[in-house]
Amino acid sequence: QSALTQPASVSGSPGQSITISCTGSNSDVVDYNYVSWYQQHPGKAPKLIIYDVASRPSGVSNRFSGSKSGNTASLTISWLQADDEADYYCSSYTSSNSRVFGSGTKVTVL
Amino acid sequence: EEQLVESGGGFVQPGGSLRLSCTASGFSFRHYAVSWVRQAPGKGLEWISYIRTSTNTIYYADSVRGRFTISRDSAEDSLHLQMNSLRAEDTAVYYCARDWGDFINGCFDNWGQGTLITVSS
Repeated sequence: QSALTQPASVSGSPGQSITISCTGSNSDVVDYNYVSWYQQHPGKAPKLIIYDVASRPSGVSNRFSGSKSGNTASLTISWLQADDEADYYCSSYTSSNSRVFGSGTKVTVL
Repeated sequence: EEQLVESGGGFVQPGGSLRLSCTASGFSFRHYAVSWVRQAPGKGLEWISYIRTSTNTIYYADSVRGRFTISRDSAEDSLHLQMNSLRAEDTAVYYCARDWGDFINGCFDNWGQGTLITVSS
């Protein structure tokens, strides 16, 4: 199972909004509304920030939002802050009875 | 506070074996599924195995099927990942992650701190 496709890097200035894409196929993103997103700071474990495409766990800032259209899921970070600088990964169930992560996106706050 | 802690990482030669353990505090594995996820140095995340003991459901990624075995020790309420025939490409930080929901609609809502496995001669 190949990784879902994410841009290698995205950057923005504090206060701006950025969007990270996660492109899959009919066997994962298209057919299942179970995309989740994870934030990982350097040297730390990942943290769940979005599940079921657009739901936020308790305690996660509402500056993080998710959506999906066709074969592409997206994570938008609004009002970008310095602490948002991290790696971000999407994940989905696949029809081959496995889970797949995206290739990862490094977010830089300028 | 609900926490996961991995142990058992270390250095092993190619072809060797290692067993990882994952223990939980604040919740029981009886009520949750757990996955192992690994991350090679400087690389992305890779899901490798899943277990839900209440339904005896186990899944593996193709990259480890036949070499790795996931199991639960009900007496100690811990999880294990037995890794055999290790290869250099298995070098990674291994995380256990609580898998919330079913396998299809699940997500990883709680992660351990990870344990490093280095496979090298």
